[in-house]
Amino acid sequence: DAKTTQPPSMDCAEGRAANLPCNHSTISGNEYVYWYRQIHSQGPQYIIHGLKNNETNEMASLIITEDRKSSTLILPHATLRDTAVYYCIVPEKYYGQNFVFGPGTRLSVLP
Amino acid sequence: GAVVSQHPSWVICKSGTSVKIECRSLDFQATTMFWYRQFPKQSLMLMATSNEGSKATYEQGVEKDKFLINHASLTLSTLTVTSAHPEDSSFYICSARIGGSYEQYFGPGTRLTVT
Repeated sequence: DAKTTQPPSMDCAEGRAANLPCNHSTISGNEYVYWYRQIHSQGPQYIIHGLKNNETNEMASLIITEDRKSSTLILPHATLRDTAVYYCIVPEKYYGQNFVFGPGTRLSVLP
Repeated sequence: GAVVSQHPSWVICKSGTSVKIECRSLDFQATTMFWYRQFPKQSLMLMATSNEGSKATYEQGVEKDKFLINHASLTLSTLTVTSAHPEDSSFYICSARIGGSYEQYFGPGTRLTVT
């Protein structure tokens, strides 16, 4: 089973910020949080990852709580092309740092 | 960024035939490659992990004699679906990982339809 839990779906208005939450309450101290997204009928696309500090890149920002039990992916100005399934993944050391994909969050950006 | 390609992007084959899918890392050397399968409206399921020059490690419930994986070089892995049946119809996705990193780079996927 995936080590993370996410809401099954969310809506966001175009141009507004999309905040996607993820719970990973059993995360270990040296395990990273990765975010990917999958647009329909394509392979997953890497977005961002982090350990304990907040991270930002050209696509998104990642906010990790101080206790590291949850995180939020922020798309600052969502566009229609951001409509996708977003996966929060914590590779587990005992599993060889392999990825276990949960159902993710289906984000719909509405015009 | 790191680019992974897959070929073909889609294939239709008759029941009982074999199909080979290629996965290539175009601008980096991948120490580990992964093969996933995704059925409609479901998430990705890991099928197997392969390291260059060694035998693949299959996930529980995946038949290694049916899904043959070859990882002959640091830039190429192949998945052969042998004696394909309609229930093997699915979206097959590969990914590649650079040594020392947990990050995976995914290919665009191959849609297999077995008639």
